[in-house]
Amino acid sequence: NAGVTQTPKFQVLKTGQSMTLQCAQDMNHNSMYWYRQDPGMGLRLIYYSASEGTTDKGEVPNGYNVSRLNKREFSLRLESAAPSQTSVYFCASAPNWRGPYGYTFGSGTRLTVV
Amino acid sequence: AQTVTQSQPEMSVQEAETVTLSCTYDTSESDYYLFWYKQPPSRQMILVIRQEAYKQQNATENRFSVNFQKAAKSFSLKISDSQLGDAAMYFCAYMRGGATNKLIFGTGTLLAVQP
Repeated sequence: NAGVTQTPKFQVLKTGQSMTLQCAQDMNHNSMYWYRQDPGMGLRLIYYSASEGTTDKGEVPNGYNVSRLNKREFSLRLESAAPSQTSVYFCASAPNWRGPYGYTFGSGTRLTVV
Repeated sequence: AQTVTQSQPEMSVQEAETVTLSCTYDTSESDYYLFWYKQPPSRQMILVIRQEAYKQQNATENRFSVNFQKAAKSFSLKISDSQLGDAAMYFCAYMRGGATNKLIFGTGTLLAVQP
């Protein structure tokens, strides 16, 4: 099925460990996004990539890095995980960086940092 | 900065009844778009409905419709003939037009549907 695929779906990390969340879309979309969802706070933008080869910070970028590996893939890396990064992470894509496009979301990754 | 406010953390509706979820937003822009997303227990984010600010006509998608009041900066979602499958978290979201399309979300309203 066409869409956005995130891996893994669940992950437990110890404080200080690193990991990369993977995201791939097969809809030939140009723009990709990483959000985190926390109770009572909605979804907040971490980083986005308006098009292949570009990345920009969103609202809450501290502690994260991203890589737009190619048009399909956009990964999110936690270099040294902290308990404050316990959250549900969503990857999303849109046809283009400009325009009234709603996003297509992945199914999310629930990350727990202990 | 643009903000989106959902003042109802939780709501409940009887099956087959109608419910309205509230959303207000703050922006100085004239060109923007508004969205409602549904997040069921599966966690998947599903686009329910979209409204362009330049359109006066309220958007409708089957049992879902919006009441868009541009002057009041209000964008409520009405669900008619509520079904058990409508139980979910609902997020209102804003996107500025003519710029990089970043969605700004409200904090969500958890809707329960009683049989």
